[in-house]
Amino acid sequence: DAKTTQPNSMESNEEEPVHLPCNHSTISGTDYIHWYRQLPSQGPEYVIHGLTSNVNNRMASLAIAEDRKSSTLILHRATLRDAAVYYCILRGAGGTSYGKLTFGQGTILTVHP
Amino acid sequence: EAQVTQNPRYLITVTGKKLTVTCSQNMNHEYMSWYRQDPGLGLRQIYYSMNVEVTDKGDVPEGYKVSRKEKRNFPLILESPSPNQTSLYFCASSLQGANYEQYFGPGTRLTVT
Repeated sequence: DAKTTQPNSMESNEEEPVHLPCNHSTISGTDYIHWYRQLPSQGPEYVIHGLTSNVNNRMASLAIAEDRKSSTLILHRATLRDAAVYYCILRGAGGTSYGKLTFGQGTILTVHP
Repeated sequence: EAQVTQNPRYLITVTGKKLTVTCSQNMNHEYMSWYRQDPGLGLRQIYYSMNVEVTDKGDVPEGYKVSRKEKRNFPLILESPSPNQTSLYFCASSLQGANYEQYFGPGTRLTVT
C-alpha cells in the first residue's frame, strides 16, 4: 500500500491561512489523494480529494505537486472550529485497490485565537 | 438525512462474551469499512466490504469477524473479546471506487474488562 507522511502537529492563528503538507512519494498513477479531518470526540469527516489537478471546495483547497509525490491542504482562513486532526490518505483506483486504506496518525492542527 | 449509524455507542463488557456492533447506512453505498482508533496509533482498518457477500481484511483483522448479507448493514463481530480490543470503533461507507468520499459513523467506544 502507498503510504503518506505528515507532520505530527502544526499551529496557526485564527483568520490566517494554513498549509498542511503531505508526502506520498510512492503514489501510483491511479491513486486519488483524499483528506479527512477529525474534530474532538467525533468521527472523521471528508474534506477534499483530487487526482492530478488542484481542487477547491467550500471547506478547503487541495494543491497537488506536478509529480504527485506531495500535496498540500489549504485552509484559507483558519477558525477555531478548524482545530482537528487532519489525515491525508491515498485511495487506489486500480481494480479493487480502493478498498484497503491506511490512515496514519495525521497532523494535529491547533488554532490560536 | 444521509447517515451512517452505529449501535451501541458505548459498551462495557467482559472478556470472552461475544458481542456485535452494528453499522447501517442509508445512502445505498456498495463499500463499507470498519476501523479502530487507539491513542498514538491513529485509525487502523479492520475489515472492508466492496459489496454484498464480498469482504476482505484490513490491517488489523485478528479477533474480528464481519458479514455483509445486506447492502445497508455491515456488523462487526467479536466472538471472544479481549482487553486489547478496548478501543474506539468507526464504521464508514462510500460509493464504489476511489473517486468517492467515505462517510463515517459517530463511533462506538468499547471497553473489555
